[in-house]
Amino acid sequence: DIVMTQSPDSLAVSLGERATINCKSSQSILYSSNNKNYLTWYQQKPGQPPKLLIYWASTRESGVPDRFRGSGSGTDFTLTISSLQAEDVAVYYCQQYYATPPTFGGGTKVEIK
Amino acid sequence: EVQLVESGGGLVQPGGSLKLSCAAFGFTFSGTGIQWVRQASGKGLEWVGRIRSETNTYATAYGASVQGRFTISRDDSKNTAYLQMNSLKTEDTAVYYCTRHNPALDYYDGGDYREPDAFDIWGQGTMVTVSS
Repeated sequence: DIVMTQSPDSLAVSLGERATINCKSSQSILYSSNNKNYLTWYQQKPGQPPKLLIYWASTRESGVPDRFRGSGSGTDFTLTISSLQAEDVAVYYCQQYYATPPTFGGGTKVEIK
Repeated sequence: EVQLVESGGGLVQPGGSLKLSCAAFGFTFSGTGIQWVRQASGKGLEWVGRIRSETNTYATAYGASVQGRFTISRDDSKNTAYLQMNSLKTEDTAVYYCTRHNPALDYYDGGDYREPDAFDIWGQGTMVTVSS
């Protein structure tokens, strides 16, 4: 199975400041035939199911604010929240869908400093 | 409104069985795969398994921890998918979510129809507790 490792486990950021979450896969999840990275990011708020934010590593889902940006390729990926808002407090997960089983990172908890 | 609604959760003894349902509303259910993902209290997300669409011959796959004990099926005429859980263990205690992959991401790769497992719609989840 492809192992997804997120860092940090948690971070506290001031309102309006940048939050950066890292995700590393144990093998490349870039598919050469279409040059796409098979990676998604989800946001999960307490008591709610996960919400899809980004797929193909950098494509925002419809309705997701543009302060959320996904980047990276191969094995190293980043989710950046450019200006943290109060409603962004949540746990964020990366997930690869390059291979079966799809696997998730352990999550990163984002809080307000 | 596009949504998935799970039902069937509850308390069951170790070794027992339970069948969860996932009803779909607001989209063409027959054209998309359905997945089950679980989350133990305070823990992360674990993929349980999936069933593909008819285009992909309703192919199923399961996570290693449930292989041989859980079975996923679907009834497209009822817009419903199911998760049959047998030989339940205490470690199966979790909230179970059904989710679908985003069909807008589907593509042909040579002769194969691919359904990338990026999950765009999630149900609210149903709690399964395995305890004596």
